[in-house]
Amino acid sequence: DAKTTQPPSMDCAEGRAANLPCNHSTISGNEYVYWYRQIHSQGPQYIIHGLKNNETNEMASLIITEDRKSSTLILPHATLRDTAVYYCISNNFNKFYFGSGTKLNVKP
Amino acid sequence: DTGVSQDPRHKITKRGQNVTFRCDPISEHNRLYWYRQTLGQGPEFLTYFQNEAQLEKSRLLSDRFSAERPKGSFSTLEIQRTEQGDSAMYLCASSFSENYEQYFGPGTRLTVT
Repeated sequence: DAKTTQPPSMDCAEGRAANLPCNHSTISGNEYVYWYRQIHSQGPQYIIHGLKNNETNEMASLIITEDRKSSTLILPHATLRDTAVYYCISNNFNKFYFGSGTKLNVKP
Repeated sequence: DTGVSQDPRHKITKRGQNVTFRCDPISEHNRLYWYRQTLGQGPEFLTYFQNEAQLEKSRLLSDRFSAERPKGSFSTLEIQRTEQGDSAMYLCASSFSENYEQYFGPGTRLTVT
């Protein structure tokens, strides 16, 4: 099972960019990297995913290194509502393996 | 609401009882997944279905756990002879197909007393 490693917590000032790192050094060539977030007591919410190229959508940007061993999720203008646990996940044949994630604290 | 729904949202049961949870996926989604989440941990994959076929069940926690999706639409997760260690949030997710994002329901919180 491909494993991902994330820092347990990060702080970010409201209005600033939040950059959340993830290491996935054992990821195989056909495994996508997905990012989800979970606000307390709710089900995880999909944010973005990618394979090799950088991706952007209305929520965030995903930067994947050329060797695919790590990625960074960027929330360009963090708000207080972005406070959540963020999970970086590798998709191993459609089985998602969540770690403990990064608790992002957005502060006013 | 066209999202994933789960029923019940909360279940309190006594040790040794059987419980069954239901998940209704997004209607056009072929794949359905079950996860368990304990306090402070990320969701733990249990099993998944492609239409009515259960393609992976090796991660089910014991033979007390079983899941069905008889008509390829809703799914049920049953836990027999519940134990206190089964207390957790049980999450269901669905996706359109392989390598598509999964959409999660709100979960069923099980408390075994």
